[in-house]
Amino acid sequence: SYELTQPPSVSVSPGQTARITCSADALSKQYAYWYQQKSGQAPVLVIYKATERPSGIPERFSGSSSGTTVTLTISGVQAEDEADYYCQSADNSGTYYVFGTGTKVTVL
Amino acid sequence: EVQLVQSGAEVKKPGESLKISCKSSGYSFSTYWIGWVRQMPGKGLEWMGIIYPGDSDTRYSPSFQGQVTISADKSISTAYLQWSSLKASDTAMYYCARLTAVAGHWYFDLWGRGTLVTVSS
Repeated sequence: SYELTQPPSVSVSPGQTARITCSADALSKQYAYWYQQKSGQAPVLVIYKATERPSGIPERFSGSSSGTTVTLTISGVQAEDEADYYCQSADNSGTYYVFGTGTKVTVL
Repeated sequence: EVQLVQSGAEVKKPGESLKISCKSSGYSFSTYWIGWVRQMPGKGLEWMGIIYPGDSDTRYSPSFQGQVTISADKSISTAYLQWSSLKASDTAMYYCARLTAVAGHWYFDLWGRGTLVTVSS
């Protein structure tokens, strides 16, 4: 098993850029995905296949990867982006899944 | 509409059994894995396990193996999560989610609204 490490919190002013990292040695070989969870709601997938956005997810959400770290970038942050964000990965056979520790994004 | 509808909130006593459900609609239930995710109060997401309704192949997180049972009835497009003897530490929100598995990618693209389970004497 392994852990995905995220910063506990990120604060950003409206219109600025928020970057949320997710790190683990395993991410050099495995893919990661991103979920947004607003207060009192179920998680929602925002990034898959490293850079793809599901239908309905704004273009300001983007994903990238470098070595053992993946990054979710929110460009031009809006008040509605205030939420908890989780990365998720799986082993290559789809037998083991793990969520990151979660990052609370606060829009100042 | 493509959706997962979970059963309602439950309040139980320690030692009691419980089975909660997750009913799918709008897609072929038998051809997608369904996963269960726990979120304890104020905490993060924890993967519990997954089931493939087509053949009931089930995989558990080591943390939850032996603690819960995941099952599915494809005739009614419904997945289940059950406990034989609840503990206060099982108090949490439980989400079901559809797992998409394609070309080495494994991610949860559709989520239910969650079932809140409260275990208290």
